[in-house]
Amino acid sequence: SQQGEEDPQALSIQEGENATMNCSYKTSINNLQWYRQNSGRGLVHLILIRSNEREKHSGRLRVTLDTSKKSSSLLITASRAADTASYFCATDNHGNSGYSTLTFGKGTMLLVSP
Amino acid sequence: IAGITQAPTSQILAAGRRMTLRCTQDMRHNAMYWYRQDLGLGLRLIHYSNTAGTTGKGEVPDGYSVSRANTDDFPLTLASAVPSQTSVYFCASSASDGAVYGYTFGSGTRLTVV
Repeated sequence: SQQGEEDPQALSIQEGENATMNCSYKTSINNLQWYRQNSGRGLVHLILIRSNEREKHSGRLRVTLDTSKKSSSLLITASRAADTASYFCATDNHGNSGYSTLTFGKGTMLLVSP
Repeated sequence: IAGITQAPTSQILAAGRRMTLRCTQDMRHNAMYWYRQDLGLGLRLIHYSNTAGTTGKGEVPDGYSVSRANTDDFPLTLASAVPSQTSVYFCASSASDGAVYGYTFGSGTRLTVV
């Protein structure tokens, strides 16, 4: 079953605008990660935020984490047509033997028009 | 270029046939994973391996088997394919605990079972 659920399912914006995607999850986590997938390709790791962090930046990406609400958001500033892709949040599952696996949400499809 | 190689890229398979999807990584990552991606369902974990010689079951393991004879290779076998196994299959790997460092994904195998 999905741990993370992204919202919205689809988002359409103009170049230069900001894009915000949200992720909600159900159980406690060690960290939350965001991935990007271009059509027909594999997923690419974007950013990781640990459970004791509230905000993290990487270039035009800003991720927030609210563990009390079990939610995260991914903000892409000054979007470009090349940002068009699907974006997934993923949460770790506390595993045995010190290892975890990631559970992915269903994704947000972002379309950035020129 | 370091990364993950999956083969074949795509395959049409008759129901009841046996099929092995290949996955090779050259990053010396300890952990490897197999996910399937279906429209509307996101990515679901099939099997994983924390280190060579060990494997574990994910969310949807039925009908699939894996082996991890060495660090680099993690093949996924469908013993007797069924139409519900039509999907895009992604192999991924991670250094040590992937929930800390993020996953590297292959480009996927698109499998159609008819």
